[in-house]
Amino acid sequence: GESVGLHLPTLSVQEGDNSIINCAYSNSASDYFIWYKQESGKGPQFIIDIRSNMDKRQGQRVTVLLNKTVKHLSLQIAATQPGDSAVYFCAEIPYQGNLIFGKGTKLSVKP
Amino acid sequence: DAMVIQNPRYQVTQFGKPVTLSCSQTLNHNVMYWYQQKSSQAPKLLFHYYDKDFNNEADTPDNFQSRRPNTSFCFLDIRSPGLGDAAMYLCATSNRDKISSYNEQFFGPGTRLTVL
Repeated sequence: GESVGLHLPTLSVQEGDNSIINCAYSNSASDYFIWYKQESGKGPQFIIDIRSNMDKRQGQRVTVLLNKTVKHLSLQIAATQPGDSAVYFCAEIPYQGNLIFGKGTKLSVKP
Repeated sequence: DAMVIQNPRYQVTQFGKPVTLSCSQTLNHNVMYWYQQKSSQAPKLLFHYYDKDFNNEADTPDNFQSRRPNTSFCFLDIRSPGLGDAAMYLCATSNRDKISSYNEQFFGPGTRLTVL
C-alpha cells in the first residue's frame, strides 16, 4: 500500500552541527509535504512545508529538499541546538486527501 | 492566540468504563481530526469531520465514536476502553475548501489516556 517511511529511526548529533533527517514516500499522487516536530508530551508542531512543484524551500535554520524522481524528502537543520531534540515526522498529503505520517526520527543533540 | 485546545491533558479510566475526550478550536476551521498515537509510533488517523460530515477510517474500531455538536467542539468517545487503547489522543484542525488541495493541520497538545 501507499506509505511514507523514514530511513533512520534515531539520529544523534553534536550541538552546533548540521542535522539531516531523511524520508521516503511512495505515493506519487502526493502534492504537499510537511515536516512536523514533536517534543515529548506535546502534539506535532509544524516546521516547514513544500509543494510538489518545488524542490527546495528554506525557513529559519531549516531547509526541506524534495526529490520527486526518487520520492525522497529531507529536512536539514543548521547549527543544531539542544532545543531541536525531538521526534521529527515527515508527512504527505495526496490531492484532496488526508495527511499520512511517516514513522518518525528521534533527534538527540549532544552538548 | 488562535489554537487547538484539548481537555483534559491526562485522563485515567478503568477497563471497560466509558470515557470522553474533548477538543475545541478557535481557528474556525471546518475540518477536525482525531488521531491515536502510541509510544514511539506515528499518529494514526481515527476519523475526521468535514463540517458536519463524519468520515471514519476503515480500520477504526467500533469502540471509538465521535461527536461534533458545532464548529468549535469535537469529542472522542471510547465506549469500552481496553488496555490496548492506552495512548496519546491528538486532535487537529484544518481549513479545507473545494479548490485547495493543501490541508495543513494544526494539532492540539494531546490527551494522554491511561487504562487501569
